Amino acid sequence: DVKVTQSSRYLVKRTGEKVFLECVQDMDHENMFWYRQDPGLGLRLIYFSYDVKMKEKGDIPEGYSVSREKKERFSLILESASTNQTSMYLCASSFIDSLYEQYFGPGTRLTVT
Amino acid sequence: AQTVTQSQPEMSVQEAETVTLSCTYDTSENNYYLFWYKQPPSRQMILVIRQEAYKQQNATENRFSVNFQKAAKSFSLKISDSQLGDTAMYFCAFMKHDTGNQFYFGTGTSLTVIP
Repeated sequence: DVKVTQSSRYLVKRTGEKVFLECVQDMDHENMFWYRQDPGLGLRLIYFSYDVKMKEKGDIPEGYSVSREKKERFSLILESASTNQTSMYLCASSFIDSLYEQYFGPGTRLTVT
Repeated sequence: AQTVTQSQPEMSVQEAETVTLSCTYDTSENNYYLFWYKQPPSRQMILVIRQEAYKQQNATENRFSVNFQKAAKSFSLKISDSQLGDTAMYFCAFMKHDTGNQFYFGTGTSLTVIP
């Protein structure tokens, strides 16, 4: 079974803190994605990566950055957390072949106070 | 840009009955894929069903089937013999054949199966 894991299920941080969300997949997927999920807005893509050290902006990249130093690991970084970044963050991965769907991690619920 | 619209924020269905969740999308692409994902309460998002746009035949997976109308850009999900475990948020998603295979998600439909 494909496994996508995220470093924390719940996280509480203070405004201005630097926040790291980690995602690891064990299926040798080329593509990895970070979304945020908010009620009434669905899933919105923050960043994605189709190869090591490659990254592409999604629909809402402002206030976020990413790092992909190894194929299996994709990190989302909030340089200076703000209260409007309180959300559920979902990581996903997939093979580069478009026949394959994305596999999702369990999510990290981040609260910024 | 691609947009995906789910016009039903919440729905409910009696156990064992049939329910249809609607999804429409807007694209100028000809080669793309459509998906329905299920997110049970506090659990991981999982794929329910997938449809390739070049296939005219509607996809089916056990109790789940789709009604894919390419010209109308409509992709509805039908759940037959609804079970309590079908209670979840359902997301419709569009993916064009492209580098990175970016997905575009709808806003979701919260389905409750009533015993």
